[in-house]
Amino acid sequence: AQSVTQLDSQVPVFEEAPVELRCNYSSSVSVYLFWYVQYPNQGLQLLLKYLSGSTLVKGINGFEAEFNKSQTSFHLRKPSVHISDTAEYFCAVSDRSARQLTFGSGTQLTVLP
Amino acid sequence: GAVVSQHPSWVICKSGTSVKIECRSLDFQATTMFWYRQFPKQSLMLMATSNEGSKATYEQGVEKDKFLINHASLTLSTLTVTSAHPEDSSFYICSAPSPGAILNEQFFGPGTRLTVL
Repeated sequence: AQSVTQLDSQVPVFEEAPVELRCNYSSSVSVYLFWYVQYPNQGLQLLLKYLSGSTLVKGINGFEAEFNKSQTSFHLRKPSVHISDTAEYFCAVSDRSARQLTFGSGTQLTVLP
Repeated sequence: GAVVSQHPSWVICKSGTSVKIECRSLDFQATTMFWYRQFPKQSLMLMATSNEGSKATYEQGVEKDKFLINHASLTLSTLTVTSAHPEDSSFYICSAPSPGAILNEQFFGPGTRLTVL
């Protein structure tokens, strides 16, 4: 079984500032890792995913994340945020044999003008 | 990417009635679909795995008789909330795995907001 911990429930940040949303996971087997974004009253949109290979993964909208196996982390970063980045962000994990996702509790990113 | 739709996008019903939510994969086939429930300001909780041609697999604590799942075809899964009560009010989201690949990715529907009065 896997579990995901998102350490920050809310992250306020000013426009054009950098941001990091933290995610740690626990698993006894190798995993795939994902970040999803959810805008109000909408489904989830995939930002990026780590399956294998390079530990630095680039996604849509200027986001990137780095997989750190020793620290079991997959933190999401963006060097300069926009107002439109305001949304809920979910980190998720699945093992490599199943197709089910286990989600973290989510981080509400609020970008302030 | 692949598209998953849900219908309706929102529904309001009286307590005691049943509500059906449809999840469709629009341009690919899905032998498996997943149903999630999301309470306000909370994460997605997996309710059940819908399997085409066989019974759904429910997560621990989810009432099978209350949340009926039918995977009628390779592009359609339905979730019926039977005898709905106000505590069933929630945001229901379905997803389908990326078609024909070993790369694990889910495509999510836009969600259905259920309000039970």
